[in-house]
Amino acid sequence: QKEVEQDPGPLSVPEGAIVSLNCTYSNSAFQYFMWYRQYSRKGPELLMYTYSSGNKEDGRFTAQVDKSSKYISLFIRDSQPSDSATYLCAMRRGTGSYQLTFGKGTKLSVIP
Amino acid sequence: DGGITQSPKYLFRKEGQNVTLSCEQNLNHDAMYWYRQDPGQGLRLIYYSQIVNDFQKGDIAEGYSVSREKKESFPLTVTSAQKNPTAFYLCASSPSRAPGELFFGEGSRLTVL
Repeated sequence: QKEVEQDPGPLSVPEGAIVSLNCTYSNSAFQYFMWYRQYSRKGPELLMYTYSSGNKEDGRFTAQVDKSSKYISLFIRDSQPSDSATYLCAMRRGTGSYQLTFGKGTKLSVIP
Repeated sequence: DGGITQSPKYLFRKEGQNVTLSCEQNLNHDAMYWYRQDPGQGLRLIYYSQIVNDFQKGDIAEGYSVSREKKESFPLTVTSAQKNPTAFYLCASSPSRAPGELFFGEGSRLTVL
């Protein structure tokens, strides 16, 4: 079993839809969870950074972590064509750990 | 503007040649990283450096070398020992207080002919 599993998609939704992106993981030592967005042929950019279980909201984006189920989600409300990108989940162990483990990414297309 | 600058953006090399990719940052971050991205593979860590004159191997360091002589610079050499060097290479930096908060460059696409 891979440490981090992420459905590669592609996922295609109409503009205005709510998008749900998910990752599962197997290593219970992961404590910090991140979502990155990557446009085609560009470097990823950090969207959300969360610690442990719970929800975090930033504008149209909500990150959710359920450590008991080893499951993290990113919700995008009122999706826009500009949200079309690949979304990568990432996670790392506790303080002092510099190594992130990335999911393979989910490719999202928002259709006008 | 603050950020990460990678060069060159595209690079073509013959098999057996060493290649050096440049990475410069002006974010005053202590930590710097090199990742490799292949289609359908996600990002894999090659090397990282927490401070000047120190670096550690990541998951796929074989066939690569790095140096960290200045805080701003973290060049990556892809040596002839790397069996499949054709890939998209991403450099990143982060503040020491938040190692997961990576700031990435635009990437360098290396093609070995």
